[in-house]
Amino acid sequence: IAGITQAPTSQILAAGRRMTLRCTQDMRHNAMYWYRQDLGLGLRLIHYSNTAGTTGKGEVPDGYSVSRANTDDFPLTLASAVPSQTSVYFCASSVRLAGGDEQFFGPGTRLTVL
Amino acid sequence: GQNIDQPTEMTATEGAIVQINCTYQTSGFNGLFWYQQHAGEAPTFLSYNVLDGLEEKGRFSSFLSRSKGYSYLLLKELQMKDSASYLCAVRDSNYQLIWGAGTKLIIKP
Repeated sequence: IAGITQAPTSQILAAGRRMTLRCTQDMRHNAMYWYRQDLGLGLRLIHYSNTAGTTGKGEVPDGYSVSRANTDDFPLTLASAVPSQTSVYFCASSVRLAGGDEQFFGPGTRLTVL
Repeated sequence: GQNIDQPTEMTATEGAIVQINCTYQTSGFNGLFWYQQHAGEAPTFLSYNVLDGLEEKGRFSSFLSRSKGYSYLLLKELQMKDSASYLCAVRDSNYQLIWGAGTKLIIKP
């Protein structure tokens, strides 16, 4: 089934631990994104990738890193988790970065950092 | 700074019409999107406006006025399944989407 998958669905993590959130899409989209969604706030862009091999910083990149080794995968890593990183994380993809291309979202990962 | 404003919550009756407004102030404009998000789920695309005017798609329509920094989403013949949050997002000069906090729409029978 075409779309975006994320793993894990949810995770409770001790502060200071390293964590990688996985994201895979099979639509051959060039652009991919990581957002966090917190209550009362809009989705905020963490990092994005215009195409395989390139990444860029979004609005709230501190404490997060990404890589884009191929078209399909776009993992997000928290090097040393802190409680303020408790959030719902959505991965998304679109054909291109620009234009009217809609972004398709994965189901999300609910992360709690204690 | 960049800002997207939407009402936090709205209530409407099944079968009625509701208009959800969105005003924006962004560095550049490269299109405006509306997404629907049911509780606990991912956002899904509803509409895209880049030119002034009304875009109609079934029961949903979206309007844009670039000079006023204003858009609205119009939902007709409301159904209970339309209970969700509606997110307004603007693509800025860097082609990044700036998102509003969303409008929670409650439909009453």
